[in-house]
Amino acid sequence: GAVVSQHPSWVICKSGTSVKIECRSLDFQATTMFWYRQFPKQSLMLMATSNEGSKATYEQGVEKDKFLINHASLTLSTLTVTSAHPEDSSFYICSAPNGRGHRQPQHFGDGTRLSIL
Amino acid sequence: ILNVEQSPQSLHVQEGDSTNFTCSFPSSNFYALHWYRWETAKSPEALFVMTLNGDEKKKGRISATLNTKEGYSYLYIKGSQPEDSATYLCAFLNSGYALNFGKGTSLLVTP
Repeated sequence: GAVVSQHPSWVICKSGTSVKIECRSLDFQATTMFWYRQFPKQSLMLMATSNEGSKATYEQGVEKDKFLINHASLTLSTLTVTSAHPEDSSFYICSAPNGRGHRQPQHFGDGTRLSIL
Repeated sequence: ILNVEQSPQSLHVQEGDSTNFTCSFPSSNFYALHWYRWETAKSPEALFVMTLNGDEKKKGRISATLNTKEGYSYLYIKGSQPEDSATYLCAFLNSGYALNFGKGTSLLVTP
């Protein structure tokens, strides 16, 4: 089946550090990938839609200069949390549909737990 | 942000019990309703994508129904097993591109 690989799984770093998270579709091409964030006891919240070869679309309230997204190929999207601060500590997870249209299920990575000290 | 509500928040059943959860979503501009199972330390796994009012889907002991007019979906698990223990997420699609997730129902099945 379709597989999405996300890494790293865990990141612990100092405040002010930039952190890059990678999301790869291993056996299918993904022109679109989605980045979600989940705070404790909350639902997965869409942060941005990553589009291959064009700019990402950010949800309201998500700073595009803070959360840089690059989708340079059909199998890789990256999310860089720039100058991370403790309030950016969260669980980040990516997903991609294998195909187009709203009938396609999302294939998720395993997620990245980010802790900023 | 669209309000997707799941109930109950958590559930603890004995092996062999049948159980069901509810997902409520806005009934306007409906495109699709997704169900996922999310086991600890793993990635969410797609169970069902439902698009038509009255849809019923089944996968082994798990089934789901959809009512788009009143805005709810039920997920049923027949004869729960310990391996069914997971968080079950529903997600509503209204624009054809972005999923709006509920907080999930956490199921624990004990032997």
